[in-house]
Amino acid sequence: DAGVTQSPTHLIKTRGQQVTLRCSPKSGHDTVSWYQQALGQGPQFIFQYYEEEERQRGNFPDRFSGHQFPNYSSELNVNALLLGDSALYLCASSSRLRQGRRDTQYFGPGTRLTVL
Amino acid sequence: RKEVEQDPGPFNVPEGATVAFNCTYSNSASQSFFWYRQDCRKEPKLLMSVYSSGNEDGRFTAQLNRASQYISLLIRDSKLSDSATYLCVVISNFGNEKLTFGTGTRLTIIP
Repeated sequence: DAGVTQSPTHLIKTRGQQVTLRCSPKSGHDTVSWYQQALGQGPQFIFQYYEEEERQRGNFPDRFSGHQFPNYSSELNVNALLLGDSALYLCASSSRLRQGRRDTQYFGPGTRLTVL
Repeated sequence: RKEVEQDPGPFNVPEGATVAFNCTYSNSASQSFFWYRQDCRKEPKLLMSVYSSGNEDGRFTAQLNRASQYISLLIRDSKLSDSATYLCVVISNFGNEKLTFGTGTRLTIIP
C-alpha cells in the first residue's frame, strides 16, 4: 500500500517564476492538505482540498493556489515566487469519517523548493 | 502570541536518561492534541495522540492539562534512535482538520 507521494523531491526556481507541486494521497484517502515548513519552523497550514474544492485556507496570499482532481490527487501552485517561499512543502492526506470527522493525517516526504 | 509554543531546545541528553518536553496552546477551545516526530529532512510522523486522561505507549507518556492549556511528552530510557525534532500539534475546532504546529523541540541523545 503506497503512502503519500509527492513530486518533485527538489526544485530550484528564480524569483518571479511559477511552480507546481504534486501530491498523490494514501490509498483510500479523499482529503489533501498542504503545509509549508520553513527552516527551523513547524509546518504552516496552507489549505485543504476535499471533493475537488478548497475547504479551508491558512494565512497565505492568493499567489498560493491549488487543485484537487477526481482521483483525489492534488497540485499546489505558487506564482510570482519570492525568496521567502523557499521551504519544504508537505502534503498530508486523510479520509473523511462519519459526522464530519477525519482520520489521522499522513504526510508525504515533501518537496524542497529553493528560490534564488 | 503563537497558537502553539514549544521550547525549541536543543535538548542534549545521555542515553538512558528521561527527558520531558512541554507545550502550551492559546485557544482554550482546542479539541485534539498530538505529538509528531520529525527526523532531519524527513516528513513529520504521528508519534501519539494526547488525551485528558493521559496515555502511554511503551517508553512514551503524553499528558494534557486543559485548565492550564498545557501538553507534555515524557520519554523514559531514551535511545539513540529517539534523536529527532518533536512537534506539538493542536487541532482547534471539531471538524476543522487544520493542524497547528509548534516550532518543534530538537532532541539529541548522546551515547
